Amino acid sequence: AQSVTQLGSHVSVSEGALVLLRCNYSSSVPPYLFWYVQYPNQGLQLLLKYTSAATLVKGINGFEAEFKKSETSFHLTKPSAHMSDAAEYFCAVTARRGANSKLTFGKGITLSVRP
Amino acid sequence: DAGVIQSPRHEVTEMGQEVTLRCKPISGHDYLFWYRQTMMRGLELLIYFNNNVPIDDSGMPEDRFSAKMPNASFSTLKIQPSEPRDSAVYFCASSIQGFGYGYTFGSGTRLTVV
Repeated sequence: AQSVTQLGSHVSVSEGALVLLRCNYSSSVPPYLFWYVQYPNQGLQLLLKYTSAATLVKGINGFEAEFKKSETSFHLTKPSAHMSDAAEYFCAVTARRGANSKLTFGKGITLSVRP
Repeated sequence: DAGVIQSPRHEVTEMGQEVTLRCKPISGHDYLFWYRQTMMRGLELLIYFNNNVPIDDSGMPEDRFSAKMPNASFSTLKIQPSEPRDSAVYFCASSIQGFGYGYTFGSGTRLTVV
């Protein structure tokens, strides 16, 4: 079974500051890992994914995440926050092998960006 | 590609009424998922299908909830009878075989039961 922990429910940063959203996972088999973003009144959009190629993954809108197996982490970062980054962010995990292995989502983190 | 299409976008109904939510997955995707999102419980997987066959419905909260996928391009989630605690945003998502591709979500249906 897989699980994801996103500590805290809300992160606030100033515009132009570093964004760091933390995600730790638990998986008994090699994982696929994902970050999704949800803007108000919209569905979830895929930001980026780790599927066993490069451990540093670049996504849309300047976001990137690094897979660290030793730390069981997949933290999301962006060097400089923009007002448009304000949204809810979900980390998700699934098993790299195994039939019908569904995505398990974290509880989400709300990112606020101050002017 | 039009993406995953859900209808209606908003639904307001009275307690006890039947509600049907609809989803059209992306053509060629063979997995379809129904999720419910609330402030209290976050994102919950209700049921998912593979090649139109229900694989896991353990997240369906009660017998009042049912889901069908009569063909590869259409699925419904029905609540009968509806209750105020069913008020939530319901999302449909689809994926192609191999979960490394991730899911594509629809825009959701915001259900309010009064």
